Amino acid sequence: NAGVMQNPRHLVRRRGQEARLRCSPMKGHSHVYWYRQLPEEGLKFMVYLQKENIIDESGMPKERFSAEFPKEGPSILRIQQVVRGDSAAYFCASSPTDSSSGNTIYFGEGSWLTVV
Amino acid sequence: AQTVTQSQPEMSVQEAETVTLSCTYDTSESNYYLFWYKQPPSRQMILVIRQEAYKQQNATENRFSVNFQKAAKSFSLKISDSQLGDTAMYFCAFMRDDMRFGAGTRLTVKP
Repeated sequence: NAGVMQNPRHLVRRRGQEARLRCSPMKGHSHVYWYRQLPEEGLKFMVYLQKENIIDESGMPKERFSAEFPKEGPSILRIQQVVRGDSAAYFCASSPTDSSSGNTIYFGEGSWLTVV
Repeated sequence: AQTVTQSQPEMSVQEAETVTLSCTYDTSESNYYLFWYKQPPSRQMILVIRQEAYKQQNATENRFSVNFQKAAKSFSLKISDSQLGDTAMYFCAFMRDDMRFGAGTRLTVKP
């Protein structure tokens, strides 16, 4: 059973370009979470999604950032018009059901975005 | 919103000794879950130990154990017989509807 798969692992974008990060949850998992980790900092919650629904996006910047988890295919974190401050590691995690039931969430290996 | 505080940015311990990492959290909920994750230089997030708030018994996983004090909202991690491979960032996490992390403690195990 493959773990949480993120791609690309490393992405370089010029300022003003768009970045798309993809996350395929573990098999059987219908809940996806995105976190951002700036250098030398902890993980900051961004968004929590179920299939075709955004449950909690309280950690998402109001502009330029969006996330989706379609019925078919991976979850996508999209960053438009990237700036140097967007350079970070972006981690995706998944869980099988509602996290309030205490299911452990499992992390992918992260996608490193570098904006030049 | 729930907050998680790790007051020790960095710690070090001699190999084979014991070290305790602190974590406190703030919540009005009664049912929740607490976790410790390890992030080695590879940056992968590795689950170390998990605690259900409704369980009074402290979780234990081999050399790793927790001291869960619900009333004090404290959740410390004890690492016994420290090994060089334990060198990593350690994050405390609180989960109710989603998972929130502390800022982390950088642990260095010295030979």
